[in-house]
Amino acid sequence: EIQLQESGPGLVKPSQSLSLTCSVTGYTITSGYDWSWIRKFPGNKMEWMGYISNSGSTNYNPSLKIRISINRDTSKNQFFLQLNSVTTEDTATYYCARCKINWEYFDYWGQGVMVTVSS
Amino acid sequence: DIQMTQSPHSLSASLGETVSIECLASEGISNYLAWYQQKPGKSPQLLIYYASSLQDGVPSRFSGSGSGTQYSLKISNMQPEDEGVYYCQQGYKYPYTFGAGTKLELK
Repeated sequence: EIQLQESGPGLVKPSQSLSLTCSVTGYTITSGYDWSWIRKFPGNKMEWMGYISNSGSTNYNPSLKIRISINRDTSKNQFFLQLNSVTTEDTATYYCARCKINWEYFDYWGQGVMVTVSS
Repeated sequence: DIQMTQSPHSLSASLGETVSIECLASEGISNYLAWYQQKPGKSPQLLIYYASSLQDGVPSRFSGSGSGTQYSLKISNMQPEDEGVYYCQQGYKYPYTFGAGTKLELK
């Protein structure tokens, strides 16, 4: 069974960096599919943040491009989100998800981690 | 970015009723449209992909249709477990974008 699990701090101070890990079981992240981060703001708005492909290339939402980095550790079958210079506007529930290449939909999601940006 | 305008914002339906949710893209998206259901405290679940393909394990009372810029999700025979928030998502162009969500409640 394919499972994705986010982990990371639930509270980050303004101007600091937000770092999250997505651990994948049941599927190897180098085998296929793109691996995305998506966030849901209070009030239900959803935003696709970016992905790392099975080959390790990345693609980011231009709205975040100067602040975001997605990397991976293939030995641990994990991929990571780093978002720099956070503000209260980055308070959201963060999800990792698997994206079907060429069809571009998200078929497996993690349970989500709520991150609050506050001093 | 492609804007996805979803309507209605909320609706309530009686048991057994048929409901429809619409999604309008700001430009043509060639059927690269997915629908998700999200229940409180849970992650979104894929219902429909490529506008009308039913994801494995999803009840057949869910169906999708549309083309070009206009797409819809139909839920036939409303059941209590269908309550939740529904989102559309376009996968035609980066950045992928979502509709604002439709909250469906049982009347």
